[in-house]
Amino acid sequence: DIVLTQSPVLAVSLGQRATISCRASQSVSISSINLMHWYQQKPGQQPKLLIYRASNLASGIPARFSGSGSGTDFTLTIDPVQADDIAAYYCQQSRESPDTFGAGTKLELK
Amino acid sequence: QVQLQQSGAELAKPGSSVKISCKASGYTFTSYYISWIKQTTGQGLEYIGYINTGSGGTNYNEKFKGKATLTVDKSSSTAFMQLSSLTPDDSAVYYCARGPLDYFDYWGQGVMVTVSS
Repeated sequence: DIVLTQSPVLAVSLGQRATISCRASQSVSISSINLMHWYQQKPGQQPKLLIYRASNLASGIPARFSGSGSGTDFTLTIDPVQADDIAAYYCQQSRESPDTFGAGTKLELK
Repeated sequence: QVQLQQSGAELAKPGSSVKISCKASGYTFTSYYISWIKQTTGQGLEYIGYINTGSGGTNYNEKFKGKATLTVDKSSSTAFMQLSSLTPDDSAVYYCARGPLDYFDYWGQGVMVTVSS
């Protein structure tokens, strides 16, 4: 299975930029299609899709969220961070079955 | 609006089975697969598998073959997952999600399954 590695915690100040990374154990890209997706999960809630195929903003998601990357290295950026963004963030790959998720990055306030 | 409404929390004894449901609304049920995902504190999010809601065809993560059985009732736009031969390791929150379309665009609220004697 493809292993996705995320840093467990990221501390950020409100109004600043947060950069959350996800590294895959092998490429999750096919030609120009990057099969990496990002979710936000708040305590007691289900995950919510933020970014699909590395850089596409899901419906209803604010433009302060953006995604980038290809191959094995991907980034979710939140700029500027707002109080409502304090949550856990997960990456997911669909390049190879079974789909796998990263262990998540908890975004905390400094 | 798209909604996936899951059944309530389950408390089950080791060795027993549970069947949880996921009722879809707000879209054409048979136009999208339904997937199931397990979440625990220790193992994080794990993909169980999906069901083709039109044909009933299934695809399972090898890890969950023999543990999970996915079915669907098109007449009620409801997907089901049965978990059998339960052990404490099956205690988790289980989500249904629409997809994969590579990704999962809508998720149910989750069902907590607790396995305890």
